[in-house]
Amino acid sequence: DTGVSQDPRHKITKRGQNVTFRCDPISEHNRLYWYRQTLGQGPEFLTYFQNEAQLEKSRLLSDRFSAERPKGSFSTLEIQRTEQGDSALYLCGSSMAGELFFGEGSRLTVL
Amino acid sequence: AQTVTQSQPEMSVQEAETVTLSCTYDTSESDYYLFWYKQPPSRQMILVIRQEAYKQQNATENRFSVNFQKAAKSFSLKISDSQLGDAAMYFCAYRSSGGADGLTFGKGTHLIIQP
Repeated sequence: DTGVSQDPRHKITKRGQNVTFRCDPISEHNRLYWYRQTLGQGPEFLTYFQNEAQLEKSRLLSDRFSAERPKGSFSTLEIQRTEQGDSALYLCGSSMAGELFFGEGSRLTVL
Repeated sequence: AQTVTQSQPEMSVQEAETVTLSCTYDTSESDYYLFWYKQPPSRQMILVIRQEAYKQQNATENRFSVNFQKAAKSFSLKISDSQLGDAAMYFCAYRSSGGADGLTFGKGTHLIIQP
């Protein structure tokens, strides 16, 4: 087991383009979380899955954002029509009703 | 909604000395968890220590210990014998005991270790 894996590590895109991030959690973990961290701030909760069910969504998750976890394993976070304000580090974490383990994040830069 | 406040944007300590990072939180719940996470330049959030609110005894992990004051809603982290590898951003975080909720983080404290 290599921990939580996120891809890509870095993404540079032009405003208006769509981007997708992938998270592979620790294999036996049924809970998966997405967070967003902007410069100088702590991570902010975006959404949470238990198995394939998306159980909670933050108000930060506008309708341009969509997250899926189709088979209860990996998850994707898609941002449509990106804006400069979307530039941030997107962190994924997983847990099994205990400690939350994080990946190294996907850094998004919107030009 | 719960809030977590870290009032020290940056702290500096000499190598081998002791430093304390402050954290306060606001909640109406009686049962919850508190955490300190470390985020080095590699960006990965690493759990340093956790505290269950129902436990009166302060958590300790090697050189890291906490001072948990439930009535004051205070949760400070003490790092003893500071090492160069301790340099990082440190985030205080709160989680409800209900289990499903995500973590609420503070804004972080940048810890600098002076050699």
